[in-house]
Amino acid sequence: QVTLKESGPALVKPTQTLTLTCSFSGFSLNTIGMRVSWIRQPPGKALEWLARIDWNDDKFYNTSLKTRLTISKDTSKNQVVLTMTNMDPVDTATYYCVRTQGTHSDLWFDPWGQGTLVTVSS
Amino acid sequence: QSVLTQPPSASGTPGQRVTISCSGSSSNIGSNTVSWYQQLPGTAPKIIIYSNNHRPSGVPDRFSGSKSGTSASLAISGLQSEDEADYYCAAWDDSLNRVFGGGTKLTVL
Repeated sequence: QVTLKESGPALVKPTQTLTLTCSFSGFSLNTIGMRVSWIRQPPGKALEWLARIDWNDDKFYNTSLKTRLTISKDTSKNQVVLTMTNMDPVDTATYYCVRTQGTHSDLWFDPWGQGTLVTVSS
Repeated sequence: QSVLTQPPSASGTPGQRVTISCSGSSSNIGSNTVSWYQQLPGTAPKIIIYSNNHRPSGVPDRFSGSKSGTSASLAISGLQSEDEADYYCAAWDDSLNRVFGGGTKLTVL
């Protein structure tokens, strides 16, 4: 059974850096074809894909947020870490860690973690 | 701003067939596959269609997906009250590295 769980601070101050950790089980990021994405959802708003890391350490970022994001993996711990710099109240959202399956032109997200709500406020 | 365009809302009565559209461009739907996600209130999204028209195990066959050119659609037949949820389409965009539509809120009347 594949599971993913996000962890990190529930509250961050404006201008601070957010660090989120995704701990997963049931698959390995050493396995060819495995990928993990981070996706967020502001309250009452749509989903927004943020970043993805692949088994071969290729990394992809939402172009509008690229300068603020860094994604990395620790395969020995089965963890993926996302950092987002210069946090702003508009970054308040539920952040999801999601296994990403398929090939580059045929990707889908399954399963999803439960999500973690991050509030940006002073 | 979402890279894929969905109607903000849709509705139907129990037993009806409802379709939700998802419009894109050559850099996303036109060159990559589409997946669909159902989000019940207060829960994480769940995949219901992948690779344009494939249903994961456990998803009722009332749900079906299709794609033509730069558009895709999700059809729900035999609408049930438990289908009331937000639905999102997704397709990789090669130029923007964006993925999701703006979502459609489905109401079962």
